[in-house]
Amino acid sequence: DTGVSQDPRHKITKRGQNVTFRCDPISEHNRLYWYRQTLGQGPEFLTYFQNEAQLEKSRLLSDRFSAERPKGSFSTLEIQRTEQGDSAMYLCASSEGRGIGQYFGPGTRLTVT
Amino acid sequence: AQSVAQPEDQVNVAEGNPLTVKCTYSVSGNPYLFWYVQYPNRGLQFLLKYITGDNLVKGSYGFEAEFNKSQTSFHLKKPSALVSDSALYFCAVRADDKIIFGKGTRLHILP
Repeated sequence: DTGVSQDPRHKITKRGQNVTFRCDPISEHNRLYWYRQTLGQGPEFLTYFQNEAQLEKSRLLSDRFSAERPKGSFSTLEIQRTEQGDSAMYLCASSEGRGIGQYFGPGTRLTVT
Repeated sequence: AQSVAQPEDQVNVAEGNPLTVKCTYSVSGNPYLFWYVQYPNRGLQFLLKYITGDNLVKGSYGFEAEFNKSQTSFHLKKPSALVSDSALYFCAVRADDKIIFGKGTRLHILP
Protein backbone atom coordinates (compact mmCIF):
# COMPACT_ATOMS: atom_id res chain seq x y z
CA ASP A 1 0.00 0.00 0.00
CA THR A 2 1.58 3.28 -1.10
CA GLY A 3 -0.93 5.64 0.50
CA VAL A 4 -0.57 7.85 3.54
CA SER A 5 -0.21 5.86 6.75
CA GLN A 6 -0.70 6.92 10.35
CA ASP A 7 0.26 5.27 13.60
CA PRO A 8 -1.32 4.51 15.96
CA ARG A 9 -4.88 4.28 14.68
CA HIS A 10 -6.31 4.66 18.16
CA LYS A 11 -4.87 6.11 21.34
CA ILE A 12 -6.48 6.31 24.76
CA THR A 13 -4.63 8.38 27.31
CA LYS A 14 -5.24 9.99 30.66
CA ARG A 15 -5.47 13.71 31.04
CA GLY A 16 -2.07 15.25 31.58
CA GLN A 17 -0.13 12.61 29.67
CA ASN A 18 1.89 13.30 26.53
CA VAL A 19 1.12 11.57 23.25
CA THR A 20 2.89 11.39 19.91
CA PHE A 21 1.46 10.44 16.55
CA ARG A 22 3.31 9.53 13.39
CA CYS A 23 2.45 10.12 9.75
CA ASP A 24 4.18 8.60 6.73
CA PRO A 25 3.23 10.43 3.55
CA ILE A 26 3.21 9.16 -0.01
CA SER A 27 6.90 8.89 -0.77
CA GLU A 28 7.24 11.44 -3.56
CA HIS A 29 5.06 14.07 -1.86
CA ASN A 30 6.91 17.10 -0.56
CA ARG A 31 4.03 18.61 1.41
CA LEU A 32 2.54 17.16 4.58
CA TYR A 33 -0.49 18.49 6.45
CA TRP A 34 -2.06 17.87 9.83
CA TYR A 35 -5.79 18.36 10.47
CA ARG A 36 -8.02 17.76 13.45
CA GLN A 37 -11.60 16.54 13.21
CA THR A 38 -14.01 16.62 16.11
CA LEU A 39 -17.35 14.87 16.17
CA GLY A 40 -19.88 16.41 13.83
CA GLN A 41 -17.37 18.77 12.23
CA GLY A 42 -15.25 18.83 9.16
CA PRO A 43 -11.48 18.60 9.46
CA GLU A 44 -9.71 21.78 10.59
CA PHE A 45 -6.23 22.71 9.47
CA LEU A 46 -3.48 22.58 12.11
CA THR A 47 -0.16 22.92 10.30
CA TYR A 48 1.79 21.96 7.22
CA PHE A 49 5.31 21.29 6.04
CA GLN A 50 7.07 21.67 2.77
CA ASN A 51 9.90 19.19 2.96
CA GLU A 52 11.30 19.72 6.48
CA ALA A 53 10.17 23.34 6.84
CA GLN A 54 7.04 24.08 8.83
CA LEU A 55 5.40 26.84 6.80
CA GLU A 56 2.18 27.61 8.63
CA LYS A 57 0.54 26.91 11.98
CA SER A 58 -3.10 27.46 12.81
CA ARG A 59 -4.23 29.34 15.89
CA LEU A 60 -5.76 26.00 16.90
CA LEU A 61 -2.23 24.72 17.50
CA SER A 62 -1.62 25.76 21.09
CA ASP A 63 1.77 25.73 22.76
CA ARG A 64 1.09 22.18 23.92
CA PHE A 65 1.19 20.97 20.33
CA SER A 66 4.37 20.52 18.35
CA ALA A 67 4.95 19.00 14.94
CA GLU A 68 8.16 18.00 13.25
CA ARG A 69 9.28 16.61 9.94
CA PRO A 70 13.01 16.28 10.52
CA LYS A 71 14.12 14.68 7.27
CA GLY A 72 11.34 15.81 5.02
CA SER A 73 9.75 12.38 5.06
CA PHE A 74 7.62 11.21 8.01
CA SER A 75 6.18 13.65 10.51
CA THR A 76 5.29 13.51 14.18
CA LEU A 77 2.65 15.44 16.08
CA GLU A 78 3.11 15.63 19.84
CA ILE A 79 0.56 16.83 22.34
CA GLN A 80 1.86 17.61 25.80
CA ARG A 81 -0.29 17.61 28.96
CA THR A 82 -3.33 16.34 27.11
CA GLU A 83 -6.75 17.75 27.95
CA GLN A 84 -10.18 16.23 27.35
CA GLY A 85 -10.77 18.82 24.67
CA ASP A 86 -7.94 17.29 22.67
CA SER A 87 -10.07 14.21 22.01
CA ALA A 88 -10.49 14.11 18.25
CA MET A 89 -9.44 12.39 15.06
CA TYR A 90 -6.05 13.64 13.89
CA LEU A 91 -5.68 13.40 10.14
CA CYS A 92 -2.54 13.62 8.07
CA ALA A 93 -2.47 14.40 4.37
CA SER A 94 0.25 14.74 1.78
CA SER A 95 0.57 16.30 -1.63
CA GLU A 96 3.08 17.12 -4.28
CA GLY A 97 3.75 20.51 -5.71
CA ARG A 98 1.54 23.28 -4.36
CA GLY A 99 -0.82 20.96 -2.60
CA ILE A 100 -3.83 21.23 -4.84
CA GLY A 101 -4.67 17.55 -4.42
CA GLN A 102 -4.23 16.28 -0.87
CA TYR A 103 -4.39 12.59 -0.03
CA PHE A 104 -5.45 11.67 3.47
CA GLY A 105 -4.38 8.92 5.82
CA PRO A 106 -6.81 6.88 7.94
CA GLY A 107 -6.35 9.12 10.97
CA THR A 108 -5.45 8.62 14.62
CA ARG A 109 -8.37 8.73 17.00
CA LEU A 110 -7.34 10.19 20.35
CA THR A 111 -9.47 9.76 23.45
CA VAL A 112 -8.42 11.62 26.57
CA THR A 113 -10.04 10.32 29.75
CA ALA B 1 -12.80 35.02 4.70
CA GLN B 2 -12.87 31.93 2.55
CA SER B 3 -15.46 29.37 3.53
CA VAL B 4 -17.62 26.47 2.48
CA ALA B 5 -21.23 25.85 3.48
CA GLN B 6 -23.12 22.59 3.35
CA PRO B 7 -26.70 23.57 4.19
CA GLU B 8 -27.98 20.04 4.82
CA ASP B 9 -26.82 18.00 7.80
CA GLN B 10 -28.44 14.89 6.34
CA VAL B 11 -29.86 13.78 3.01
CA ASN B 12 -32.05 10.70 2.56
CA VAL B 13 -32.44 9.14 -0.87
CA ALA B 14 -34.04 5.90 -2.01
CA GLU B 15 -31.75 3.43 -3.71
CA GLY B 16 -31.79 3.90 -7.46
CA ASN B 17 -32.89 7.53 -7.28
CA PRO B 18 -30.65 10.43 -8.24
CA LEU B 19 -28.92 12.21 -5.39
CA THR B 20 -27.66 15.74 -4.84
CA VAL B 21 -25.55 17.00 -1.95
CA LYS B 22 -25.37 20.78 -1.84
CA CYS B 23 -22.36 23.00 -1.34
CA THR B 24 -21.77 26.73 -1.66
CA TYR B 25 -18.47 28.50 -1.31
CA SER B 26 -16.97 31.90 -0.69
CA VAL B 27 -13.46 32.57 -1.96
CA SER B 28 -11.42 35.38 -3.37
CA GLY B 29 -10.18 34.66 -6.84
CA ASN B 30 -10.69 31.46 -8.76
CA PRO B 31 -11.80 28.58 -6.57
CA TYR B 32 -10.22 25.16 -6.30
CA LEU B 33 -13.05 22.95 -5.06
CA PHE B 34 -13.14 19.37 -3.82
CA TRP B 35 -15.46 16.65 -2.60
CA TYR B 36 -14.31 14.01 -0.12
CA VAL B 37 -16.17 11.06 1.39
CA GLN B 38 -15.62 9.56 4.82
CA TYR B 39 -16.78 6.12 5.93
CA PRO B 40 -17.06 5.30 9.66
CA ASN B 41 -13.71 5.33 11.48
CA ARG B 42 -11.88 5.96 8.23
CA GLY B 43 -9.93 8.84 6.77
CA LEU B 44 -11.09 11.00 3.91
CA GLN B 45 -11.27 9.61 0.39
CA PHE B 46 -10.92 11.99 -2.52
CA LEU B 47 -13.89 11.96 -4.93
CA LEU B 48 -13.28 14.79 -7.37
CA LYS B 49 -11.95 18.28 -7.83
CA TYR B 50 -12.62 21.39 -9.90
CA ILE B 51 -9.73 23.62 -10.86
CA THR B 52 -10.65 24.98 -14.25
CA GLY B 53 -12.37 23.90 -17.44
CA ASP B 54 -15.70 22.13 -17.81
CA ASN B 55 -18.28 23.00 -15.21
CA LEU B 56 -19.30 19.34 -14.91
CA VAL B 57 -16.57 17.35 -13.20
CA LYS B 58 -16.61 13.57 -13.14
CA GLY B 59 -15.09 11.67 -10.24
CA SER B 60 -14.83 8.32 -8.53
CA TYR B 61 -17.63 5.80 -7.96
CA GLY B 62 -19.95 7.45 -10.52
CA PHE B 63 -20.10 10.79 -8.73
CA GLU B 64 -19.98 14.11 -10.51
CA ALA B 65 -20.19 17.72 -9.43
CA GLU B 66 -21.46 20.82 -11.14
CA PHE B 67 -19.57 24.08 -10.71
CA ASN B 68 -21.78 27.16 -10.96
CA LYS B 69 -19.84 30.39 -10.71
CA SER B 70 -22.83 32.73 -10.64
CA GLN B 71 -24.42 30.82 -7.77
CA THR B 72 -21.05 30.03 -6.12
CA SER B 73 -22.14 26.43 -5.83
CA PHE B 74 -20.48 23.07 -6.32
CA HIS B 75 -23.18 20.45 -5.80
CA LEU B 76 -22.33 16.75 -5.76
CA LYS B 77 -24.53 14.47 -7.85
CA LYS B 78 -25.03 10.87 -8.83
CA PRO B 79 -27.66 9.61 -11.28
CA SER B 80 -28.53 6.43 -9.37
CA ALA B 81 -27.76 6.01 -5.68
CA LEU B 82 -26.44 2.82 -4.12
CA VAL B 83 -26.83 1.72 -0.51
CA SER B 84 -23.02 1.62 -0.34
CA ASP B 85 -22.95 5.38 -1.03
CA SER B 86 -24.17 5.96 2.52
CA ALA B 87 -21.41 7.96 4.18
CA LEU B 88 -20.35 11.44 5.29
CA TYR B 89 -19.54 13.82 2.46
CA PHE B 90 -17.39 16.93 2.74
CA CYS B 91 -17.15 19.81 0.33
CA ALA B 92 -13.88 21.74 0.52
CA VAL B 93 -12.10 24.70 -0.97
CA ARG B 94 -8.40 25.39 -1.24
CA ALA B 95 -7.47 28.60 0.56
CA ASP B 96 -3.84 29.68 0.38
CA ASP B 97 -1.99 26.39 0.87
CA LYS B 98 -4.54 24.56 2.97
CA ILE B 99 -8.01 23.09 2.54
CA ILE B 100 -11.07 24.45 4.29
CA PHE B 101 -13.84 21.92 4.80
CA GLY B 102 -17.55 22.24 5.25
CA LYS B 103 -19.26 20.63 8.22
CA GLY B 104 -20.26 17.63 6.19
CA THR B 105 -23.51 16.10 4.98
CA ARG B 106 -24.52 12.63 6.03
CA LEU B 107 -26.00 10.74 3.10
CA HIS B 108 -28.41 7.89 3.82
CA ILE B 109 -29.40 5.67 0.92
CA LEU B 110 -32.53 3.74 1.79
CA PRO B 111 -32.88 0.23 0.35
